Amino acid sequence: GAGVSQSPSNKVTEKGKDVELRCDPISGHTALYWYRQRLGQGLEFLIYFQGNSAPDKSGLPSDRFSAERTGESVSTLTIQRTQQEDSAVYLCASSLLPEMLGDTQYFGPGTRLTVL
Amino acid sequence: AQSVTQPDIHITVSEGASLELRCNYSYGATPYLFWYVQSPGQGLQLLLKYFSGDTLVQGIKGFEAEFKRSQSSFNLRKPSVHWSDAAEYFCAVTGGSYIPTFGRGTSLIVHP
Repeated sequence: GAGVSQSPSNKVTEKGKDVELRCDPISGHTALYWYRQRLGQGLEFLIYFQGNSAPDKSGLPSDRFSAERTGESVSTLTIQRTQQEDSAVYLCASSLLPEMLGDTQYFGPGTRLTVL
Repeated sequence: AQSVTQPDIHITVSEGASLELRCNYSYGATPYLFWYVQSPGQGLQLLLKYFSGDTLVQGIKGFEAEFKRSQSSFNLRKPSVHWSDAAEYFCAVTGGSYIPTFGRGTSLIVHP
């Protein structure tokens, strides 16, 4: 596709359940980022994938959060045993030349997660 | 470490008025600076970025921003605001890391 896509657009789940969020980056983009955006807050970095390098997981808030990426394509963010504080919009972004510090990130529309 | 401060949580302007959104950064060397816009229910879209050269940067949708090293600022401006500019605006900085740091955002409200 022409842009970054994310699915589902909305997800409502019960506390304690696991959820999987999906991100399809722009074709050819080697870098992929996940962010969390809580209501009224800025973007909180979660995890970064770059090619075949080990991902930078330094932003994951707990071991309930994990993410995978298949090659240079789809990524899934998994949240186990969801808690109410996990409610947020989860944004995915991709970029073409991350080795350039000024490289532009292209964002998907996000997945709004609500934990009841 | 890099950081960004957007001191205004909300800004209200009348349609046709000028706009300035403030952004202050902290980074020891020359930073890479970005402004993004987020419309309701949408992802972030890049408005403009600065990484070297002319300190006045032109972006899309009639926006511009000026890098002022002495003030550690990168304020976003538009001479005449349109109702469609109502959105959330985020300033971001990248310095020693490939991972940008975002400000908490400024919500722009446009009155007719």
